[in-house]
Amino acid sequence: AQSVSQHNHHVILSEAASLELGCNYSYGGTVNLFWYVQYPGQHLQLLLKYFSGDPLVKGIKGFEAEFIKSKFSFNLRKPSVQWSDTAEYFCAVTPKTGGGNKLTFGTGTQLKVEL
Amino acid sequence: NAGVTQTPKFQVLKTGQSMTLQCAQDMNHEYMSWYRQDPGMGLRLIHYSVGAGITDQGEVPNGYNVSRSTTEDFPLRLLSAAPSQTSVYFCASSEQGIYGYTFGSGTRLTVV
Repeated sequence: AQSVSQHNHHVILSEAASLELGCNYSYGGTVNLFWYVQYPGQHLQLLLKYFSGDPLVKGIKGFEAEFIKSKFSFNLRKPSVQWSDTAEYFCAVTPKTGGGNKLTFGTGTQLKVEL
Repeated sequence: NAGVTQTPKFQVLKTGQSMTLQCAQDMNHEYMSWYRQDPGMGLRLIHYSVGAGITDQGEVPNGYNVSRSTTEDFPLRLLSAAPSQTSVYFCASSEQGIYGYTFGSGTRLTVV
């Protein structure tokens, strides 16, 4: 079965600082990768996704992520965060084949951006 | 399109009571899932379905039942609520599970 690790549980940044959130997965086969964001009191929204091709993917609101296959990693980045980026961020994976197409999440990273 | 609709948004139950959390989607998605979200534990899969009439257990299925009689609906039943089931529950659907899921707005359940 697949698993996802997010090592940063809480991150506090000042506005305009750069952001990088770590995500590592474990699975014996190939996977599709996702980052979801949950703003306070809201449901999960898809931030970006990687299926194949260019390992650097761009999502909404200036976020990007890089898939490094050799490291089983899919880290999320943003060059300059805003106060409105305060939210919880979840990395998730699903196997490309098998696994019942189940989406498995990491434990999340709570990001707080201070003015 | 309404997307994924969950009802109710909030619910308080007494220990031992039963209830059904409703989930409906209008996107004709075959794949549907139920997750619970607890602080510091992310989202954990309770049950999922790959089509009408087909359901399977996820990571934390104990205490919950599901059925999928139509493509649109995927209700989650708590037969005898326990305080450990206090959580936020999210329903999600997908056209093809490997391409990501759309989430509902959640149900915040408190069991006292």
